[in-house]
Amino acid sequence: SQTIHQWPATLVQPVGSPLSLECTVEGTSNPNLYWYRQAAGRGLQLLFYSVGIGQISSEVPQNLSASRPQDRQFILSSKKLLLSDSGFYLCAWRLAGALGETQYFGPGTRLLVL
Amino acid sequence: QKEVEQDPGPLSVPEGAIVSLNCTYSNSAFQYFMWYRQYSRKGPELLMYTYSSGNKEDGRFTAQVDKSSKYISLFIRDSQPSDSATYLCAMNYGGATNKLIFGTGTLLAVQP
Repeated sequence: SQTIHQWPATLVQPVGSPLSLECTVEGTSNPNLYWYRQAAGRGLQLLFYSVGIGQISSEVPQNLSASRPQDRQFILSSKKLLLSDSGFYLCAWRLAGALGETQYFGPGTRLLVL
Repeated sequence: QKEVEQDPGPLSVPEGAIVSLNCTYSNSAFQYFMWYRQYSRKGPELLMYTYSSGNKEDGRFTAQVDKSSKYISLFIRDSQPSDSATYLCAMNYGGATNKLIFGTGTLLAVQP
């Protein structure tokens, strides 16, 4: 069976500091990978998605970037955090090529920027 | 206008009640419809997945899609305190990237 991991679970960072959040998937190959942010009282906002190693599509211009150095690893980064970067960050995966196939989410990372 | 509208609640019901959760959408191109359940401080978990209009039942849960009205529903029968969570509807067009469009979620509290 497939498993998705995210770490850290919780992070408190000062404004202007760098960020690196990691997501890994086990039990599948060549998944599509997604990064979402969920702000309090709001829905999930898609930030980035990737259909393969080194292939990143950005949905929203912002202070963040993503990378996919390995098939089942997805990293969300920032060089300098802003207060507005606070939120709940979720990684998700789906089987590539399966039309309409749904996405499965990780446990999330709660980020607080002070 | 948002692509997907969902009443944020909160919705409070007594244990054993039938719960109805709803979403409306504006884009008739949506083909796949999902309901996720999200407990506090956890990632969303897939609850129901449907394609095309009609009903789909899984235990106490029934998902209903009415494409002509652009309206989807999730019914929970015999609701339990463990059903207390935020319920998110999601939908997409299909295709290679499978980008999901989410509602903002409805917070449900089932009182024992």
